[in-house]
Amino acid sequence: EDQVTQSPEALRLQEGESSSLNCSYTVSGLRGLFWYRQDPGKGPEFLFTLYSAGEEKEKERLKATLTKKESFLHITAPKPEDSATYLCAVQAWNAGNNRKLIWGLGTSLAVNP
Amino acid sequence: DVKVTQSSRYLVKRTGEKVFLECVQDMDHENMFWYRQDPGLGLRLIYFSYDVKMKEKGDIPEGYSVSREKKERFSLILESASTNQTSMYLCASSFQQGGHSNQPQHFGDGTRLSIL
Repeated sequence: EDQVTQSPEALRLQEGESSSLNCSYTVSGLRGLFWYRQDPGKGPEFLFTLYSAGEEKEKERLKATLTKKESFLHITAPKPEDSATYLCAVQAWNAGNNRKLIWGLGTSLAVNP
Repeated sequence: DVKVTQSSRYLVKRTGEKVFLECVQDMDHENMFWYRQDPGLGLRLIYFSYDVKMKEKGDIPEGYSVSREKKERFSLILESASTNQTSMYLCASSFQQGGHSNQPQHFGDGTRLSIL
């Protein structure tokens, strides 16, 4: 069964304390892996797409990497405004609904000043 | 920038009412989606549409229907609202490239629906 697991569920960091969020996946074939940020009461905001193992994407303090089994979202020197829930989703190859995404439950990140 | 607009941020309805949630996107995207998001359950797909008048069931379609009469607009209908449909409802759209789509979905800000 296709599955996406994110860890940890919650993470509290001090401002400037770098860390990584994990997204591990089990799918029949990966078409794309997506990272989103979600603020309370808002819809998810798209961050990155990764398509193949070894690929990396960067945006400000965030860097996403991909292997054949997992993806990491590295946060370098985080600031309080990076506090949010980070969601990972995977699109898998299958015979029919290739538009569907399989979602993880997210990591809730809090960055203290 | 992609803009997905949901008609209401907050909505309160009574059990048994027929409820309409509207979503409009301005990027000429082929695909549109309706999700609900509940604590501990994450995002669950209700229905999606890949073209005008076309629809496919997601993972939890029971109690819902959808309508897509124009490319930019996708409506979610709760036929007879029940308290277990109290949730955050999110609409999304994505670009279809060729016969397959691995383009990101872009979301609206959601409708917080309460059924009393």
